[in-house]
Amino acid sequence: DAGITQSPRHKVTETGTPVTLRCHQTENHRYMYWYRQDPGHGLRLIHYSYGVKDTDKGEVSDGYSVSRSKTEDFLLTLESATSSQTSVYFCAISGRDLTTGELFFGEGSRLTVL
Amino acid sequence: DAKTTQPNSMESNEEEPVHLPCNHSTISGTDYIHWYRQLPSQGPEYVIHGLTSNVNNRMASLAIAEDRKSSTLILHRATLRDAAVYYCILLPGANNLFFGTGTRLTVIP
Repeated sequence: DAGITQSPRHKVTETGTPVTLRCHQTENHRYMYWYRQDPGHGLRLIHYSYGVKDTDKGEVSDGYSVSRSKTEDFLLTLESATSSQTSVYFCAISGRDLTTGELFFGEGSRLTVL
Repeated sequence: DAKTTQPNSMESNEEEPVHLPCNHSTISGTDYIHWYRQLPSQGPEYVIHGLTSNVNNRMASLAIAEDRKSSTLILHRATLRDAAVYYCILLPGANNLFFGTGTRLTVIP
């Protein structure tokens, strides 16, 4: 199994509070991704990173920011959490461009915003 | 983004083959066809991918239509551990996987 650790695995917070989810990898992979999964929507890409300090937006990036200061860590921040951000968040990593490579996913972080 | 269409759900008897279809009529010439699956309470996991030719690996086989507008994931002998949601995904060359809602496979003992 790929070495991916997400933390926290479960979090309950209140509307308006900041939240940071952490993805840590031990594979030295170049690419890292944050997805959210909601019933009826499948997985949707929030942000991704193609190297240290190199990040870009996915299809549902509003309300989220990311940072990657070192290869092994990719942080997802909700500056002011809203109830619509209640979801399961998955981190994924890849060592190669996704046209020929594969994604390895973490176990997910369940966030509830009250 | 190129999109895929999959049935919402399918059933199979244990130890029988399963053919999971996927339509991708807007596929471009450089799109790769990837399959992932998601077991209950887990993140998705890679199953297989291909471009034009049929592909086999230890988990499954991928059959790609000659015009590439459809593909089929084949599980040769379904087990209870294969019960999952299966996603068919196209890669347009950018680092982005668009996951739809997939096919929920139920395996009947």
